[in-house]
This record gives sequence, C-alpha cells and structure tokens, in this order.
Amino acid sequence: AQSVSQHNHHVILSEAASLELGCNYSYGGTVNLFWYVQYPGQHLQLLLKYFSGDPLVKGIKGFEAEFIKSKFSFNLRKPSVQWSDTAEYFCAVNARPGFQKLVFGTGTRLLVSP
Amino acid sequence: DTGVSQDPRHKITKRGQNVTFRCDPISEHNRLYWYRQTLGQGPEFLTYFQNEAQLEKSRLLSDRFSAERPKGSFSTLEIQRTEQGDSAMYLCASSLSNRGTSNQPQHFGDGTRLSIL
Repeated sequence: AQSVSQHNHHVILSEAASLELGCNYSYGGTVNLFWYVQYPGQHLQLLLKYFSGDPLVKGIKGFEAEFIKSKFSFNLRKPSVQWSDTAEYFCAVNARPGFQKLVFGTGTRLLVSP
Repeated sequence: DTGVSQDPRHKITKRGQNVTFRCDPISEHNRLYWYRQTLGQGPEFLTYFQNEAQLEKSRLLSDRFSAERPKGSFSTLEIQRTEQGDSAMYLCASSLSNRGTSNQPQHFGDGTRLSIL
C-alpha cells in the first residue's frame, strides 16, 4: 500500500527565510507526485505536480520541488518565504497506471511571522 | 467562480440521523472523487466516479456510506445512522481524463464539515 510521510508537522519561519518541507513516499512503482496548499479558510489548491521528465518542478508563487527517485522523496522548497505563505501544505502521491486515488501525507502547518 | 462546489458547508446532526451531501464538479470534468479529512490528518480517499460509474471504493466506506453520480454530473454522499466517528470534513474533487489529457490533477471543493452531536 502507498503511504506518504511528512516529517515536519509545524514549521515557524520569519519572512525572507528559506523553506524546505520534507516528503517521502512508499511505493515501488511509477508515481505521480503533488504538493497541495490550503490557505486559512480556503480549499486545497494545487501548488505543483510531477508526472515525468525533469525532476525539478516549478510551481506557483515561487515554490519548487525536487523528485529524487532513489530516496523516494519529493521535498518542497522556496528560497524566501512571505507572510502570505502561511498555510498548511500537503504532499500527495498516486500510483500509475490505473490508480486514481491520491494518498496524502498528514500535512505541515507553516507559520511565517512578519 | 467555476470551481468544485459543495453543499452544505456545515452540517450538525444528532447521532443516528442520516445526512446527505452534494458535490457539483467543474463542468467538463468526468472524474469525481470523495475524500474525508479529520483533524490533524491529510485527506483520505473514499471513492471515485468516472462519469456515472463508481469505479473504486475504499475500505473506509462502510455499508452506512453510499455515493451516487446518477447522470455523470453532480454527486451525492449519504451517511446513514451517523456515528460520532463520522465527524469530519468531507471533500469532493474533480478532474478531467480522456485520451488527450492524461495525468490531470484533481481540483478540490471547500468541503462539508459534519459534526455529530
């Protein structure tokens, strides 16, 4: 069965600090990988996705993630966070082919202080 | 806004009552998903439809839960004889899948928060 681990449950940063959120998954086959963000009071929104090709993917709002197949990891990064990045971040995976369900991690709550 | 719409936003009910939630997906999306999210956890998959066909159900979906998508557009999720453990946020998502658009991500609605008294 697939599973996703997000190691940091709560992260507190000051504005302009760099961010890296860890995500590891367990599945031996080919996967699609996603990061979703949930801003306070809003629905889950797609931040970025990896399906194939370049393992370094860029998303919205300056976020990027790197897929390292040998480490089963898909860590999220941003060089300089802003107060508006305060949100909960979820890593998710679905196995290919044929599996439609997303398996989510438990989420990381990020608080950026101004 | 033409995103995924869910109704109601909040539902409070007594244990043992039946509840039904509705989800309207993005209009051109043929796939529709239901997830459940409890406090401190990520969303957990419940079931999904391709058009009107229910193609996968999680073991989380006990026999008290039933989902339908009769015309391949909106979907309903019904919980019968609700229990305290059913308290959660119920999320709906939709995506488009056809030969020319593989690997499309899921778009989520705001969810329905269910509280069982």
